[in-house]
Amino acid sequence: EAQVTQNPRYLITVTGKKLTVTCSQNMNHEYMSWYRQDPGLGLRQIYYSMNVEVTDKGDVPEGYKVSRKEKRNFPLILESPSPNQTSLYFCASSSSGAGTEAFFGQGTRLTVV
Amino acid sequence: AQSVAQPEDQVNVAEGNPLTVKCTYSVSGNPYLFWYVQYPNRGLQFLLKYITGDNLVKGSYGFEAEFNKSQTSFHLKKPSALVSDSALYFCAVRDIGSARQLTFGSGTQLTVLP
Repeated sequence: EAQVTQNPRYLITVTGKKLTVTCSQNMNHEYMSWYRQDPGLGLRQIYYSMNVEVTDKGDVPEGYKVSRKEKRNFPLILESPSPNQTSLYFCASSSSGAGTEAFFGQGTRLTVV
Repeated sequence: AQSVAQPEDQVNVAEGNPLTVKCTYSVSGNPYLFWYVQYPNRGLQFLLKYITGDNLVKGSYGFEAEFNKSQTSFHLKKPSALVSDSALYFCAVRDIGSARQLTFGSGTQLTVLP
């Protein structure tokens, strides 16, 4: 089954404690990206990757890091989480054509206290 | 820069009535336009897209959308709403000339009343 898998689904952590949210896709997609969803703001792009070792900032990259060492994986790293990073996070992947739709993971609900 | 506006945070409609969820966009070039639906505690699911060709696009679950270039709109429609259509709907745009991923609207909560 074609899918994007995120882990964990739920995470509560404390301010400053480094964490990683994993994302993996099994569709051999070139494009992967991370979004955060906040009420009234829709989805805002954090980082995106056009292929292995090619990443770029989205609209809200501050406080986040990513890496793309393998085509299937695109982890999101919060090196020093803060309460304003409490949000619902989605990973997405798509093939390289600009007209292709994105496939989304189930989401990770992160709470930073 | 590309942007999307969904002017209604909430749309209520009676079951069996037609529904419309509005979306307008702004891009520097020609757009690729998408609609996604999000059910509670789920990720986003693709509904339909406009790439080129016919302005009326048909998608999943009986939904359709009409592309209007002069009004820069891409409204989502369904002739007869179901209670199960109640969900959060997102419009998204990508500029054909852009390497970036999708830009999303703020979302519209659709509630279909029995």
